[in-house]
Amino acid sequence: QQQVKQSPQSLIVQKGGIPIINCAYENTAFDYFPWYQQFPGKGPALLIAIRPDVSEKKEGRFTISFNKSAKQFSLHIMDSQPGDSATYFCAGAYGGSQGNLIFGKGTKLSVKP
Amino acid sequence: NAGVMQNPRHLVRRRGQEARLRCSPMKGHSHVYWYRQLPEEGLKFMVYLQKENIIDESGMPKERFSAEFPKEGPSILRIQQVVRGDSAAYFCASSPPSRAGYTFGSGTRLTVV
Repeated sequence: QQQVKQSPQSLIVQKGGIPIINCAYENTAFDYFPWYQQFPGKGPALLIAIRPDVSEKKEGRFTISFNKSAKQFSLHIMDSQPGDSATYFCAGAYGGSQGNLIFGKGTKLSVKP
Repeated sequence: NAGVMQNPRHLVRRRGQEARLRCSPMKGHSHVYWYRQLPEEGLKFMVYLQKENIIDESGMPKERFSAEFPKEGPSILRIQQVVRGDSAAYFCASSPPSRAGYTFGSGTRLTVV
């Protein structure tokens, strides 16, 4: 009930490609779905977040697509750059952005020049 | 405005020793969270504290682990009689009184030898 399943585990794309990372959740009480970006040796940093009352949110080159009926959401990175190479984590929480986060296991993205 | 400060960055302990991890929240933040990240895993919630109070410790192992956030000074995560399985990265996050989103520190990497 508390799990967030994330795929793929790793992803390699060429510069300019559009990597897509998928997550599925079980707990229908979740009402906040953030994505975090983590570079080696650093803590996770909030990238973008969505609430289940919207189906899509864009911030710069990052887009979240949300499918409430399927209990799935995904991150798309447009025009990916080598500097986007990092590990990406999706998460779910109830209680909005105030809730404790349940994280997926992460996707290691490598963007080749 | 300094971010969330964690120290030490790296900590090596022999089996059976005690580990103390410190976290100073961002200025103006009164809520502290501890998460643990095992190799190749996502972050797992451990405990949520406010000044002098443990609010939610549902993710804390029942034995050997304790956390505090005193009126003065940093939050401390204490692990007694460490075992090899405690080797992980421990991340602290803090949030303002509204709990609207939080910021992670760079983590303490604990190695038990």
